[in-house]
Amino acid sequence: EAQVTQNPRYLITVTGKKLTVTCSQNMNHEYMSWYRQDPGLGLRQIYYSMNVEVTDKGDVPEGYKVSRKEKRNFPLILESPSPNQTSLYFCASSGRLATDTQYFGPGTRLTVL
Amino acid sequence: AQSVAQPEDQVNVAEGNPLTVKCTYSVSGNPYLFWYVQYPNRGLQFLLKYITGDNLVKGSYGFEAEFNKSQTSFHLKKPSALVSDSALYFCAVRAHNAGNNRKLIWGLGTSLAVNP
Repeated sequence: EAQVTQNPRYLITVTGKKLTVTCSQNMNHEYMSWYRQDPGLGLRQIYYSMNVEVTDKGDVPEGYKVSRKEKRNFPLILESPSPNQTSLYFCASSGRLATDTQYFGPGTRLTVL
Repeated sequence: AQSVAQPEDQVNVAEGNPLTVKCTYSVSGNPYLFWYVQYPNRGLQFLLKYITGDNLVKGSYGFEAEFNKSQTSFHLKKPSALVSDSALYFCAVRAHNAGNNRKLIWGLGTSLAVNP
């Protein structure tokens, strides 16, 4: 089944404790992206990647890191999480064309205390 | 600035009645428009998209959307609503002038409640 998977689905952590949210897709997509979803603000892009070893900032990159060492994986790293990073996070992937559909993972609900 | 507006936070409709979820957009150039649905504790599921061609686009689960260039709208419709259609619906437009970034610009969502 073609899909985007994320882990963990739910995470409660404390300020400053490094964490990684994994994202993997099995559709051989070139493009991958991370969004966060917050009430009243909608979805905002954090980082994106056009291919292996090619990543760039989205609209709200502060406090986040990503890597793209393999085509299928695009982990999101929070090196020192803070409470304002409490949010619902989505990973997405698509082909390289602007007309290609983006497919989303199930989301990761992160709470930083 | 490029933007998407969903003017209704919530839409209520009786089961069996037609439903419309509204979306308007502002974007330079030809718009690539998308509708997604979000069920509780699940990800965003793609419903349909408009790229070019016929203004009426058909998608998953019996949904369709009508692209209206003059009104810059892309309203989501379904002829007969089901209780199981109750969910959060998002309209999105592909950002132009974003280089290689395939970023979507999102509306804030419309909560659809279908009453039995």
